[in-house]
Amino acid sequence: QQQVKQSPQSLIVQKGGIPIINCAYENTAFDYFPWYQQFPGKGPALLIAIRPDVSEKKEGRFTISFNKSAKQFSLHIMDSQPGDSATYFCAATSTSGTYKYIFGTGTRLKVLA
Amino acid sequence: GAGVSQSPSNKVTEKGKDVELRCDPISGHTALYWYRQSLGQGLEFLIYFQGNSAPDKSGLPSDRFSAERTGGSVSTLTIQRTQQEDSAVYLCASSLTYSNQPQHFGDGTRLSIL
Repeated sequence: QQQVKQSPQSLIVQKGGIPIINCAYENTAFDYFPWYQQFPGKGPALLIAIRPDVSEKKEGRFTISFNKSAKQFSLHIMDSQPGDSATYFCAATSTSGTYKYIFGTGTRLKVLA
Repeated sequence: GAGVSQSPSNKVTEKGKDVELRCDPISGHTALYWYRQSLGQGLEFLIYFQGNSAPDKSGLPSDRFSAERTGGSVSTLTIQRTQQEDSAVYLCASSLTYSNQPQHFGDGTRLSIL
């Protein structure tokens, strides 16, 4: 019940493409779903986050889509650029009970110029 | 506006030696987390602090690993009698409070055990 399953493990797209990374969770108590971006040699940095009271959130070229009934959420990167090449982690946590983030296993994205 | 600071950034040591890794969280952040990331892998939770206490040490891999936090600020992660399998990047994160708050990560300490 504590797992967050992330897919795909790796992804290669052309510049301008729209990579989509998917995550699925089991624990219905989760109520905060952040995405982190990590460049080589750096720590993960918060990219965008969503709470289950909305189905979509956009920040610049990054969009989270959230499907509460399916217990799934996904990250879309519009007009992807080579600078978006990084590893992306989804995570989930709950307001009550567990304080821990449960991280997905990560998706290594490469955007070709 | 300093972020989370970790030191050293790199550490190479011989098998069997003890190492101490340091984390300076963002000022005012009460929650502090340690993670381990092996090459190309995900984030493995090690331990969490709320203030100076560690309610959850369940992620520590063995009794060779310990951590403390003093003054609600700086934390040190100590690995005794290091083994080659301890080689990884050790990441620290802090958040304003626990639970559903953004975690802010340092750039980690890359530990290599020869």
